[in-house]
Amino acid sequence: IAGITQAPTSQILAAGRRMTLRCTQDMRHNAMYWYRQDLGLGLRLIHYSNTAGTTGKGEVPDGYSVSRANTDDFPLTLASAVPSQTSVYFCASSPQGTGNYGYTFGSGTRLTVV
Amino acid sequence: KQEVTQIPAALSVPEGENLVLNCSFTDSAIYNLQWFRQDPGKGLTSLLLIQSSQREQTSGRLNASLDKSSGRSTLYIAASQPGDSATYLCAAGTYNTDKLIFGTGTRLQVFP
Repeated sequence: IAGITQAPTSQILAAGRRMTLRCTQDMRHNAMYWYRQDLGLGLRLIHYSNTAGTTGKGEVPDGYSVSRANTDDFPLTLASAVPSQTSVYFCASSPQGTGNYGYTFGSGTRLTVV
Repeated sequence: KQEVTQIPAALSVPEGENLVLNCSFTDSAIYNLQWFRQDPGKGLTSLLLIQSSQREQTSGRLNASLDKSSGRSTLYIAASQPGDSATYLCAAGTYNTDKLIFGTGTRLQVFP
C-alpha cells in the first residue's frame, strides 16, 4: 500500500540522548516535511525538503536536523533531546514542494522526553 | 505571516444534523486550502483540496468552500454520523512561505 511509514510509533527518551525518527515514502514524491503537533498549537513545520539533496528550515527548526540522501527517506534527528521536544511528530510528503499539491501524512511518532 | 484560525475549537451535535466548520486565514495570497481529518492517536487524512481559483469542492457528504477575498473557508458536513467524530484541520498553502500553515482544528463529536 502506497504511503508513508514512520518509526518508531512511540518512544520514551531520556533528556540529553540522541534520537533519529525515521520516515520512508514509496510514492516517489519529491517533497517531504516534518511537523510537530502540540496541544493548543496545532501542527508546526520543523524542516522540509523540496527534493533529494536539499533541505530547508521551517517554523521551529532549533534542536532538530534532517537529511535527504534519496527520494524515499527523510530522517529527523534530535541531537540532544530536551523535555520541550515532547510531542507527536508527523512526516508528510507531496509530489512537489512548491505550488498546488495535496499532502500525504504518516501516522506519527509520539515522543516523550523525560 | 500567515495565521490560520478555526472556530469553534470543539463542537458536539446529535446525529443527523448538518453542520459547518469555519476556517479563516490572514494572508489571502494562497494557492490552495486543504481540509484534513484526524482521528485520536492517528495521522491526518486528506479530505478536500480547493485550489485558489476554485470556489468549492465536494466529496460525498462533505462540501468545502473558499472565499479568498474574505479569508474564509467552510467545511459543510451533511447528515452527520457518529463516525464523523474526529478533529478537522484546515491548512492554507501560502505563497509567502510556500508551505502549508495549519489551524489548530475543530474537535467534532457526533452522538447517537
